[in-house]
Amino acid sequence: AQSVTQLDSHVSVSEGTPVLLRCNYSSSYSPSLFWYVQHPNKGLQLLLKYTSAATLVKGINGFEAEFKKSETSFHLTKPSAHMSDAAEYFCVVSGNAGGTSYGKLTFGQGTILTVHP
Amino acid sequence: DTGVSQDPRHKITKRGQNVTFRCDPISEHNRLYWYRQTLGQGPEFLTYFQNEAQLEKSRLLSDRFSAERPKGSFSTLEIQRTEQGDSAMYLCASSAGGRGGNTEAFFGQGTRLTVV
Repeated sequence: AQSVTQLDSHVSVSEGTPVLLRCNYSSSYSPSLFWYVQHPNKGLQLLLKYTSAATLVKGINGFEAEFKKSETSFHLTKPSAHMSDAAEYFCVVSGNAGGTSYGKLTFGQGTILTVHP
Repeated sequence: DTGVSQDPRHKITKRGQNVTFRCDPISEHNRLYWYRQTLGQGPEFLTYFQNEAQLEKSRLLSDRFSAERPKGSFSTLEIQRTEQGDSAMYLCASSAGGRGGNTEAFFGQGTRLTVV
């Protein structure tokens, strides 16, 4: 079985300050991990993905995430928040070959990021 | 190819009626997913296909829900005897998954269902 826990339902930051959105996962096999962003009334957009290559993954709009197997974490960071980053962010895990959840995408509950001027 | 396409974008139906949604995935994507999202929640898994084979269906899904992908291309999701609790955004996604890893899934804009 696989699962995702996003540790914060809401995160509020000031423009120009760092962003940290936390995600822990559970998977029986080496997972693929993704972060998606959803702006109000918009579709889900991929920010970045980890698929067993480099553990530090760079995505669009200056976001990064680091895969830490020992901590089963995949936290999303950005050095400096911008007003346009305000949205809801989802951490997603997918089981790989051999797992009973092979191919299935499991979403976290989401973290709403608010950016203050 | 313009991405994953869903039709209709909005559907209002009376309780008890049947509804059917269509999803056209990105060409050559072998995996197709259906999710349901309600306000303030993350997308909830409904079912997914690898080519025309339905690999898994959520145990939370009642027998009123059925999905098909007859030729491994487009897919339909049918809800029979709709209930007010079925009101949600229904999302479709596709990916070019293969053994040993997943590529990212691309999502459509969704079909918003309102049951009155």
